[in-house]
Amino acid sequence: QKEVEQNSGPLSVPEGAIASLNCTYSDRVSQSFFWYRQYSGKSPELIMSIYSNGDKEDGRFTAQLNKASQYVSLLIRDSQPSDSATYLCAVNMRSGGSNYKLTFGKGTLLTVNP
Amino acid sequence: DAGVIQSPRHEVTEMGQEVTLRCKPISGHNSLFWYRQTMMRGLELLIYFNNNVPIDDSGMPEDRFSAKMPNASFSTLKIQPSEPRDSAVYFCASSLRGGGSNTGELFFGEGSRLTVL
Repeated sequence: QKEVEQNSGPLSVPEGAIASLNCTYSDRVSQSFFWYRQYSGKSPELIMSIYSNGDKEDGRFTAQLNKASQYVSLLIRDSQPSDSATYLCAVNMRSGGSNYKLTFGKGTLLTVNP
Repeated sequence: DAGVIQSPRHEVTEMGQEVTLRCKPISGHNSLFWYRQTMMRGLELLIYFNNNVPIDDSGMPEDRFSAKMPNASFSTLKIQPSEPRDSAVYFCASSLRGGGSNTGELFFGEGSRLTVL
């Protein structure tokens, strides 16, 4: 089983719609979860972090975490063309002993159509 | 404030040549990470350092790859000899804290795009 899995997409939504991005992970003891956005040809940048079950809202973005289901999602409300990018789910996972490493999914390409 | 600085931004080399990628982390960050990104495999962690000490190098593909962090403000990733399958974008990232269960936000450099012919 892949450690962090995402639908590769592409996910296409019209401007103003809600975009829903999903991610599952394999390590049950993971405690830290992140969503990064990567524009084409650029480096990843953090947009959301979540550590507890439930929802966390920041502007148009809402991250949702369900540790029992090992599931993380990102909702983007009122999607804009400028949101078009690849969204990477990242999970802090055990790498041996007391060490952890931030493991990324392959990303979901989102296209918001004007 | 300066972010993570990587050099070179682009490198084209021939198979068998040595490649050295460089990284200057954000001042005050005590963790440094080297990632590699390809279309097929996504973003893979190669190695990370805490306080200049290598903590986990399990992602380093083989002995041709080596990384050093001689001080808190500089790290190198070396590939010798390089092969066409090493072609990828190599990102360096730094963090205020890393390696523990509460790894914080990673700040990425702009990446070094390597092409091995």
